[in-house]
Parts: sequence; structure tokens; C-alpha cells
Amino acid sequence: EPEVTQTPSHQVTQMGQEVILRCVPISNHLYFYWYRQILGQKVEFLVSFYNNEISEKSEIFDDQFSVERPDGSNFTLKIRSTKLEDSAMYFCASLFAQGETQYFGPGTRLLVL
Amino acid sequence: AQTVTQSQPEMSVQEAETVTLSCTYDTSESNYYLFWYKQPPSRQMILVIRQEAYKQQNATENRFSVNFQKAAKSFSLKISDSQLGDTAMYFCAFHLINFGNEKLTFGTGTRLTIIP
Repeated sequence: EPEVTQTPSHQVTQMGQEVILRCVPISNHLYFYWYRQILGQKVEFLVSFYNNEISEKSEIFDDQFSVERPDGSNFTLKIRSTKLEDSAMYFCASLFAQGETQYFGPGTRLLVL
Repeated sequence: AQTVTQSQPEMSVQEAETVTLSCTYDTSESNYYLFWYKQPPSRQMILVIRQEAYKQQNATENRFSVNFQKAAKSFSLKISDSQLGDTAMYFCAFHLINFGNEKLTFGTGTRLTIIP
């Protein structure tokens, strides 16, 4: 069964460093999402992406964040200058079409020291 | 803005018993989808069940079923014959039908423990 994959599974970085989180959505999906879950809290929407542009972004998704689909398979989330409060689990999700189910990747656990 | 409320932070039940997790939501829209996701200790998000708001019939998936009350904006999850593998966080989630962007709004979750 097709699945969403994410790399790395864990990343530790120093405050102020740039990180890139990678996702490979399901191959025929058209809509892509990033969500964040701070430990012990609920999952929060960050950004949605369709047709090579951002559809919507949340208040969390400030200028330090960017997303890109550099080729036909990868979908990346970049944090330019990480802060301690960026420590969280980051989930990528993809969706084939309106009304279908979003499928989540296994997540990347980011720890900022 | 849409909100999802899960009023039970933690629940526990004996193996083989039935448990119901509560969820309420708030929206002024009429076309939307509701979901229950399971998050085991691995923290992967796994879809348990989904419900289309336009369908009156409650969704079922094997031991999992929902009680969808649209007028009351309530969407509870019933787990029958609970198993140890059902131990997890359960999140209720919602999205509007919105071409190009169907972002999910999640509740705060219910931690369910199945006791052997």
C-alpha cells in the first residue's frame, strides 16, 4: 500500500541553525500539508500546498518557514533559523483529491538545543 | 473559525469492554468531514474512521463506529471489544470541503488505556 515517507525520523540542531525536513508524498496525490505537534499538545496546521504554490498558511508559519516541491516527488519544509520553541514533531500529509482522506507520514522529531 | 473539543483528556477501560470517546465541534458551515485519528506511542497518525457530514448513516469500520449528531455538532467514537493494541491517543479532526485546501483542525486528544 502506498505511504507517505519522511526523513529524517529524528533531528537535533542548535538554535539558529537551518533545518530541512523532507517528505515524499504518495505519488498521485496533488495536495500537500505540513502539521506540527509540540510534545503533549494537539496537532496544528502549518501550511497547505497545491499546484506549486501555498494555498493557506497558519499564524505559526512565519517568515522563518518555507516549503518547496523541488521535483516531482519531494516536498520539503525549511526552517531558516530555528528557535527552541520549534522543537516538535512535524508531520507531512498528502491528499489525492477534494473529499478524500489525508494520509500522514510517520513524522520527524525535531529537537532544538 | 472552526474548533474541535475533546472533553476527556484520559480514559481507561478493561480489555474486551466497550468505550466511547466524545468530540464536539463548532462550525457555521454545512459541508465538511469528520475524522478520528489514532496516535500510538510511535506517534504516527493513523486514520481510524471518517464521516461525511452529508451522510445520515453513521460510519463503521470493524470494531469502530461513530455516533454522528449533526444538529448537536457531536461526533463520538465507540470502540467495541477493546484490545490492548487500541491503547493510544485519539484525536478528533474536522475539515471543511474547500477546493484546494482541506486543512485539518484537531482536538486536544483523549489518551485511552486498555487494561489487561
